[in-house]
Amino acid sequence: EPEVTQTPSHQVTQMGQEVILRCVPISNHLYFYWYRQILGQKVEFLVSFYNNEISEKSEIFDDQFSVERPDGSNFTLKIRSTKLEDSAMYFCASSESRQKYNEQFFGPGTRLTVL
Amino acid sequence: AQKVTQAQTEISVVEKEDVTLDCVYETRDTTYYLFWYKQPPSGELVFLIRRNSFDEQNEISGRYSWNFQKSTSSFNFTITASQVVDSAVYFCALSRYGQNFVFGPGTRLSVLP
Repeated sequence: EPEVTQTPSHQVTQMGQEVILRCVPISNHLYFYWYRQILGQKVEFLVSFYNNEISEKSEIFDDQFSVERPDGSNFTLKIRSTKLEDSAMYFCASSESRQKYNEQFFGPGTRLTVL
Repeated sequence: AQKVTQAQTEISVVEKEDVTLDCVYETRDTTYYLFWYKQPPSGELVFLIRRNSFDEQNEISGRYSWNFQKSTSSFNFTITASQVVDSAVYFCALSRYGQNFVFGPGTRLSVLP
């Protein structure tokens, strides 16, 4: 069964460093998403991406964040200058189409620790 | 605005007990989807069920059952004869057309042997 994959599973970085979290969505999917879950809290939407553009973003997704689809398979989330409060689990998700928004498949997550 | 409330922060039960996890949602849309996800200690989100707003039939899958009541905006989840492996955080979520998921705060379920 096709699945969303994410690398790395755990990333440790120093405050102020840039990090790139990588996701490989399901191959025929066209909509991509990033969600964040601070430890012990709920999962929160960050951004959705379609046709090489951001289609929606939350208040959390400020100028420190950016997303990119650098090639036909990867979908990345970059945090330019990490802060302690960026420590969280980051989930990537994808869906086949806007009509199938309800069928979002989630990756296993990347745990980001900022020291 | 969409909102999902899971009033139970933590629940502890003894193995083989039945347990119900509550979910109440708010939306002005007539078309929407509701979900339950399980998050075990390993951290991934495990999809359990998706239900659309036009289908109020209850659903049973093995030891799991879901009760969707539009009149009370609730989508409750019951685990029958709970097992230690059911210990996890359970999230209820809401999605409407073309929009991202809105998750509830989660309920941490501990099943004690």
